[in-house]
Amino acid sequence: QSVLTQPPSVSAAPGQTVTISCSGIFSNIGNNAVCWYQQLPGTAPKLLIYDNHIRPSGIHERFSASKTGSSATLAISGLQTGDEADYYCGCWDGDLKIYLFGAGTKLTVL
Amino acid sequence: QVTVRESGPAVVKPTQTLTLTCDFSGFSPTASGTCLTWIRQPPGKALEWLARIDWDDDTYYNTSLKTRLTISRGPPRNQVALILVNVEPADTGTYYCARMRGYYRIDYWGQGILVSVSS
Repeated sequence: QSVLTQPPSVSAAPGQTVTISCSGIFSNIGNNAVCWYQQLPGTAPKLLIYDNHIRPSGIHERFSASKTGSSATLAISGLQTGDEADYYCGCWDGDLKIYLFGAGTKLTVL
Repeated sequence: QVTVRESGPAVVKPTQTLTLTCDFSGFSPTASGTCLTWIRQPPGKALEWLARIDWDDDTYYNTSLKTRLTISRGPPRNQVALILVNVEPADTGTYYCARMRGYYRIDYWGQGILVSVSS
């Protein structure tokens, strides 16, 4: 069971905006930077967001994220069918000294 | 250009030891804040972080697996290994090696290697 809590699935129509939440506690999200990873079907995960809200080079501005307290949120606007993937939040836990992933959220673009 | 690549056996028998190797290039493993890390993913399931070795050789392990795991650095300089002892069918999955920067962001992933534990 993951310590970072994500919804199992989300869905929306093409062109719409969807948000994915990631909830933790102070020792992880509350006191450390959050990353988001995108895993397209059959491929390795890819870094989508780091430092809570920063996009690596090459990641479209349709992907944005934020953090408040011990919760983080990923938003994807202008949804495309190519965005269908599993999305994971990740964060270091300073008390446990381990890296945590959420259980993943499957995005379906209807 | 950063590259990361995993290698190892595709099949391992229960109770045996799994040894995976990660070969990387395009960065220095001893640059401050640089780590190599292993993550696995059982078929159809979520990512599970396994272990990390830092630029200064500090190591960290998944709490529930730490008695069975060892992460170590080469030689060669651009290689890291992961050893998992006493494997069981629940250890079946795709194992990823990746670069971690700043102790938290996993920015370059290998393609992964599928390992099956089966007799």
